[in-house]
Amino acid sequence: KQEVTQIPAALSVPEGENLVLNCSFTDSAIYNLQWFRQDPGKGLTSLLLIQSSQREQTSGRLNASLDKSSGRSTLYIAASQPGDSATYLCAVNSNYQLIWGAGTKLIIKP
Amino acid sequence: DTAVSQTPKYLVTQMGNDKSIKCEQNLGHDTMYWYKQDSKKFLKIMFSYNNKELIINETVPNRFSPKSPDKAHLNLHINSLELGDSAVYFCASSTNQRTGGGEKLFFGSGTQLSVL
Repeated sequence: KQEVTQIPAALSVPEGENLVLNCSFTDSAIYNLQWFRQDPGKGLTSLLLIQSSQREQTSGRLNASLDKSSGRSTLYIAASQPGDSATYLCAVNSNYQLIWGAGTKLIIKP
Repeated sequence: DTAVSQTPKYLVTQMGNDKSIKCEQNLGHDTMYWYKQDSKKFLKIMFSYNNKELIINETVPNRFSPKSPDKAHLNLHINSLELGDSAVYFCASSTNQRTGGGEKLFFGSGTQLSVL
């Protein structure tokens, strides 16, 4: 049974710092992995989608990596801004189901 | 224009009532989903429809009944509401029936259901 874990549950950093969010999964047989951002009252926004055959994806200041063999993905945020404050969730597409982590609540202090 | 819209945004009701949440997507996607986000922020899939056909039906009480009149709409009807139904419910859509395999999921803004 696939399980997805995100650590830490919450993270607070000063503006301008680079940071890494972690996502781990127990079953390496996945189709893809997505990182989402959740803002209060605004639903979820897909940030990056990494196919199982890919190692990383980049979008602006965001870079997501995938290491299937170790069951890990990281979301790297460069030069963080207060507007990056949100909850970040990873979701693993496994056996035709999306299995979600509980998210990391990120706070960027001005 | 909102890609995936769901209404209402907030729903407060008494135990035992019947309520519906509506969802519409204007992206031309074939597949739509309902997710429940619990108090610990975990998102759990409830249902998935592809072109009006039910393709995923997780272990959900039969008090929950999805209805898809066309591929752009997937409504969620809940009978005899219970306290434990209180949660945020998200509608989503994608172009691929395999729960977004190969394609991104697009989410609505959520419906916060409070059962008193």
